[in-house]
Formats: sequence, structure tokens, C-alpha cells
Amino acid sequence: NAGVTQTPKFQVLKTGQSMTLQCAQDMNHNSMYWYRQDPGMGLRLIYYSASEGTTDKGEVPNGYNVSRLNKREFSLRLESAAPSQTSVYFCASVLTGRYEQYFGPGTRLTVT
Amino acid sequence: GQQLNQSPQSMFIQEGEDVSMNCTSSSIFNTWLWYKQDPGEGPVLLIALYKAGELTSNGRLTAQFGITRKDSFLNISASIPSDVGIYFCAGHPPGTNAGKSTFGDGTTLTVKP
Repeated sequence: NAGVTQTPKFQVLKTGQSMTLQCAQDMNHNSMYWYRQDPGMGLRLIYYSASEGTTDKGEVPNGYNVSRLNKREFSLRLESAAPSQTSVYFCASVLTGRYEQYFGPGTRLTVT
Repeated sequence: GQQLNQSPQSMFIQEGEDVSMNCTSSSIFNTWLWYKQDPGEGPVLLIALYKAGELTSNGRLTAQFGITRKDSFLNISASIPSDVGIYFCAGHPPGTNAGKSTFGDGTTLTVKP
């Protein structure tokens, strides 16, 4: 079991460029989440998907879109990157009815 | 939304010392979880608490679910260098989607050999 995997690990973008962060889990979890982590600010929820076919906004959704491609995969898209989106992005998944989140290793994104 | 206050924000301790940190909320929570994030990695679950008053250990770590349901504590005994990292609490108020957690801002622990 690989658990939760994320690609890429590092990315540098110029302002205005677009990119998609990929996340996949092999634990048959129904719920998946995207967070961003900025220094001293903990984990802030961007979007989540409670089950395949559904997505909902979290605390900081502006500037992002998501796609729940299938049960395994949940991608995060930045359509027009801004320096304020420089952050570390984590994907997580949860088994239905449980509370414990399993996190990926993160994507470190810099927007110049 | 729900806010969790986690303290202290950072700690600098000597190897061998015990560590205490806590998390408080203005409203009640049904569950409390504690995660550790090693430098450059994603958070990993340490301890999960499901009942008020519950005390659970995982090796040198002990966590408690406060009886008021508004707080939780994490203690680390006899710290070692590999305890370095950020410790996050997370909780779930009644009525929330089971997997959707509210996270504290973290306690950054530095252990000096």
C-alpha cells in the first residue's frame, strides 16, 4: 500500500501560469481533502470531496478548482497562479464514518 | 467556523525533559486527534480520543480528552531528538461530517541534544 501519493513534490510557477496538483489514495477511502499550510497558520481546508462525484468548498477556496476523477483520485487546479498561493499543499483521505486523516507527503509550490 | 487554540506556539527543550501542550475550543467537541508532522513530511496520526475523560497512551506519548469536552492535552515524556516537529490537534464538533476536521495552528517542538 502506497497510502496517499501526491505529484509533483516541488513546483515553481510564474504569476498567471496554471497547473494541476495530483493526489491518489489506494486505501479505498471515500472522502478526500486538499489543505494548504503556511508558516504559523496550520492547515487550512481548500476543498473536500465526501464521496465520488461530490465536491464542496472549504475555508479558503478562492483561486482553486477541484476534480474528483474517481474514488482514488482528487486533483487541485490553479487556473491563474498568484504569489499568495505560494504554500505547501497536502492531500488527505478518510474512511467513511471515521475521523482519522491520512496525509500525503505534500507539494511545495512557489509562485514568483 | 470553529476555532481551536493550541498552545504553546513553540517550545525549546532539552533532551530528556517532559513536554506538555494543549488545545482548547469555545464549544464542545466529540473527538480529539493529535498528529505529528516531521520536517518536510505530511502529518501522521499519533493518538485519537473519542470519549470525555479518556486517557490514551502511545509509547512515550499520552493524550487526554478533557471532561468539559472543550480541551485536550498531549504529554511527551523523556523527549528525544526525533520528537522534533510540529504537533497538531484536530477536533470534530457535534454534527460535522465525520472526516472534516478543525485543526489547531500547531506547536513547534525543538529538542536540544
